[in-house]
Amino acid sequence: DGGITQSPKYLFRKEGQNVTLSCEQNLNHDAMYWYRQDPGQGLRLIYYSQIVNDFQKGDIAEGYSVSREKKESFPLTVTSAQKNPTAFYLCASSTPSTSREQFFGPGTRLTVL
Amino acid sequence: AQSVTQPDIHITVSEGASLELRCNYSYGATPYLFWYVQSPGQGLQLLLKYFSGDTLVQGIKGFEAEFKRSQSSFNLRKPSVHWSDAAEYFCAVGFTGGGNKLTFGTGTQLKVEL
Repeated sequence: DGGITQSPKYLFRKEGQNVTLSCEQNLNHDAMYWYRQDPGQGLRLIYYSQIVNDFQKGDIAEGYSVSREKKESFPLTVTSAQKNPTAFYLCASSTPSTSREQFFGPGTRLTVL
Repeated sequence: AQSVTQPDIHITVSEGASLELRCNYSYGATPYLFWYVQSPGQGLQLLLKYFSGDTLVQGIKGFEAEFKRSQSSFNLRKPSVHWSDAAEYFCAVGFTGGGNKLTFGTGTQLKVEL
């Protein structure tokens, strides 16, 4: 079955450590996205990539970094510079089309202790 | 910049009652509009979408939404709510020239009373 996988489901890290969240898709989609979700704030765009080896900052990119070396993969690193990293992180993908629909992964809950 | 407003943070309805969740957007041109649903701790699932054509769109699980350009609205409706509809609902908007980026509302939490 085609879809988006995010691993792990739950992640715990100590303050000051960098951590990388995985996102893989087998939908053959060109574009991929990372969102952060906090209670009452909806989804906020961190980074997005429309093609391999290219990515752009979203609305809240500070303290985060990404890479897009393969079409299928778009890992997100939460660095120690991110002041409040505890959140639910969602990865999504889409294909250039008139409908603009995004498909979402199951999410990763990151807790920084 | 475009924005999306979901004015109701929480809504409680009785099972079997009708439901309407409100969504307003601000953008000059015709937007691409979406409603997603999220169960606790899960990803988002698309309920329905509008990008052209008939302004009343049908989605999965018996949901429908109507695009009203004059009111900049895209409200979600269901004639009879089931207990399993309890979840958080997000409205999202995209626009021509914005790539495939979407802007999401802050969500409406639906509680269903039995």
